[in-house]
Amino acid sequence: AQSVTQLGSHVSVSEGALVLLRCNYSSSVPPYLFWYVQYPNQGLQLLLKYTSAATLVKGINGFEAEFKKSETSFHLTKPSAHMSDAAEYFCAVSLNTGGFKTIFGAGTRLFVKA
Amino acid sequence: EPEVTQTPSHQVTQMGQEVILRCVPISNHLYFYWYRQILGQKVEFLVSFYNNEISEKSEIFDDQFSVERPDGSNFTLKIRSTKLEDSAMYFCASGGQFLNTEAFFGQGTRLTVV
Repeated sequence: AQSVTQLGSHVSVSEGALVLLRCNYSSSVPPYLFWYVQYPNQGLQLLLKYTSAATLVKGINGFEAEFKKSETSFHLTKPSAHMSDAAEYFCAVSLNTGGFKTIFGAGTRLFVKA
Repeated sequence: EPEVTQTPSHQVTQMGQEVILRCVPISNHLYFYWYRQILGQKVEFLVSFYNNEISEKSEIFDDQFSVERPDGSNFTLKIRSTKLEDSAMYFCASGGQFLNTEAFFGQGTRLTVV
């Protein structure tokens, strides 16, 4: 069965520091992988997606993620955190199962300290 | 930019009442989904809908839930007899014609059952 594991329910960084949010997936077929961001009391916004093209994917707001098949990972990074990055981040895998069901990880809440 | 719209943004209902959550997917999309997020928890898949029928549903999607595409633009989720534990954010999503596109999410409807 396909699944997504996010390591760390909470991550705290200082403003200007590197952001690293970890995600590992389990899939029997090549997956489509996504990172979504959710600000308090808001919906889900797509940050970036991997769909079997380039393994390094660049997204919005300076985020990027690298697909590593050998490690079954899709970690999200940003070189320099900004206060506005504080939010909940969800890694997700999407599968062609007759539809396009998206399975979400448990989420990682990012705190940014001044 | 096309977007998925959901109404209402917040709905309060009494336990045992029927509630209908409404969504207008992106106009040329063919795949439609509902997801649920209980407060503080991850986003969970409920159901996918394609070609006017359910293509997949989760164990959460029991007999009290139903979906419908009553016309060419709306996609609804009905909860027949609401329970306290149905209180959650409900997200509608739609996906494009080709299966390697991501699902686009609406802003959600917060359902509070009292």
